[in-house]
Amino acid sequence: DVKVTQSSRYLVKRTGEKVFLECVQDMDHENMFWYRQDPGLGLRLIYFSYDVKMKEKGDIPEGYSVSREKKERFSLILESASTNQTSMYLCASSLPKTGEGNQPQHFGDGTRLSIL
Amino acid sequence: KQEVTQIPAALSVPEGENLVLNCSFTDSAIYNLQWFRQDPGKGLTSLLLIQSSQREQTSGRLNASLDKSSGRSTLYIAASQPGDSATYLCAVPHYGNNRLAFGKGNQVVVIP
Repeated sequence: DVKVTQSSRYLVKRTGEKVFLECVQDMDHENMFWYRQDPGLGLRLIYFSYDVKMKEKGDIPEGYSVSREKKERFSLILESASTNQTSMYLCASSLPKTGEGNQPQHFGDGTRLSIL
Repeated sequence: KQEVTQIPAALSVPEGENLVLNCSFTDSAIYNLQWFRQDPGKGLTSLLLIQSSQREQTSGRLNASLDKSSGRSTLYIAASQPGDSATYLCAVPHYGNNRLAFGKGNQVVVIP
């Protein structure tokens, strides 16, 4: 089974701090994704990466950056945390798309981040 | 841009009843559709991925149908149990199939 591990289940940080959220997958997947999930808004894609050192902006990249130095690890960085970044953050991974389209995404358990 | 809608947003059913969850999407040029389950405070668990060439996909008590031309998918859960209480999300690819567009989910409560 695919295992996607997020480093923290709960995290509390202060406004202005630089925050790192880590995600590791053990299935050699090329694609990795960071989402945030908010009540009434659903899941929104922040960034994704389709290879080491490659990244693409999702729907809401402002205030975030990412790092993918190794295939198995994808980090989300909040450059200067603000209260509106309080949310549930979800990481996912998948194989690259084939002739049959995209492959199933597998999710971690999420990080509940609170910015005070 | 792909828009995904799930109806109803929330429902409660007595144990033993069959559940019918609906998902509709605006762009029918998709390769597949994925159904997920999410328990409170947890991540998403993949339930079924149904290819556009299939009309149905089954896993145990779960059955997903896909009608690409009308932009609809239905998830059936037979003989519901309290352990089926969760939020169910559907997702379809967009932007050249690199990304998924998600619905906001069907929140299900099965009453013992």
